[in-house]
Formats: sequence, structure tokens, C-alpha cells
Amino acid sequence: DIQMTQSPSSLSASVGDRVTITCRASQSISSYLNWYQQKPGKAPKLLIYVASILRSGVPSRFSGSGSGTDFTLTITSLQPEDFATYYCQQSHSSATFGQGTKLEIK
Amino acid sequence: EVQLLESGEGLVQPGGSLRLSCAASGFTFSTSAMSWIRQAPGRGLEWVSSISPGGDHTYYADSVKGRFTISRDNSKNTLFLQMNTLRAEDTATYFCSKIEINSGRWLFDDWGQGTLVTVSS
Repeated sequence: DIQMTQSPSSLSASVGDRVTITCRASQSISSYLNWYQQKPGKAPKLLIYVASILRSGVPSRFSGSGSGTDFTLTITSLQPEDFATYYCQQSHSSATFGQGTKLEIK
Repeated sequence: EVQLLESGEGLVQPGGSLRLSCAASGFTFSTSAMSWIRQAPGRGLEWVSSISPGGDHTYYADSVKGRFTISRDNSKNTLFLQMNTLRAEDTATYFCSKIEINSGRWLFDDWGQGTLVTVSS
């Protein structure tokens, strides 16, 4: 099974900051990596798929990159609504999620 | 607008059974693969099971294989998850999700709000 490891597990930042979340796969997954955002008590929402394609309607301050085993999600100019938990998910072989990164207000 | 509405929430004893349902609307259900994904309280997301549009192919996480069965009724636009031999570690919110296939791989592009399953004596 493919394991996904995110870092950091939590992150404190301020409105306007630029933040980067990393996701590492236990084996190569090409570009089959998706990112989700989840707010407390809500269902996750798909943000980015195939590593770098922004889903329609997602603000352009979100971006993704990477291939193989190492991937990043970057949020430039953090907005109040961006404070949430972010999950990566590999789709190379069935599906596995990372453990999540909780982005909190500093 | 895609809508997915889960039902079947409940408290069940270890070893018991429960059936979850997910009523779908706003898209062509019969041509969409579907999934169940769960989240234990305070924990991350775990893929549970997926089913092809016609229901002829099913996939399970090792943690539920042999105990859970995914199925669908395309005439009623409804997805099901039959859960047997439940364990305390199955306690979670269960989300129904529509799958988008991209380059032959799964994206979970729309989700329901979830239904809570509690396994406890």
C-alpha cells in the first residue's frame, strides 16, 4: 500500500502570509496527487488535482506542484477563510490520504 | 447542483450491523463511480470503498474487506454501504463521495455532509 506523509502536522500563520505544505509518497505516484480543504464540521472540498490543476472556482492563491514522491501545496496571501485542515490524497493505486495539516491563525 | 445526502446514522454494539444510504441528485448517477470515505473523531480521512457506475466492480480498503459491502441502485440514484461485524475502530463519520475519473484515476470531487456511526457497548 502507498503511504502518504504530510508535514507539518500543524502550522500557525497570519493573514497575508505565504505558506507551504508538503506531502510525500512512500513510492512514486507520478502526478496522481490531489489536495483537499476541510473546515470543522464540514465535508472536504477538492482544491487541486493531478498535482497542479486548480479546480474551477478555487482562488488562484492556491497552487500545487511536484511529481514522483514529493509534492507541495502553496497558499499565497492567506485569507481568513483559508484557515482549515488540508489533506493530500494519492490516486495512483486506489486512494490513500495524508494525515492532514491543520492551518491555524497565529 | 450535485447533492449527496447520507442517512443511516446510529449507535451499534460491537459485532453488530448497520446499513448506510446516500441519495444522489444533480448529476447522472448511473454514469458516475462512487465512494465511501470515513473520518474517525478528531482524525484524518480514510478511503473505505468504491464502486463502478454499473456496480460490477467494487473495491475495499483492507481494514473493511470481508465485513463491508458497497452497492448501488441506479434506478433510485442511491448508494449503499452494508457494514457487518462492526468494531469500535469503525466509529467514524462516513462520507459519500462522487468520483471523477481523470487519466484513469480517482478524484473525490463532491461530498455529502456525512453520517455518524458509533460502535460501542
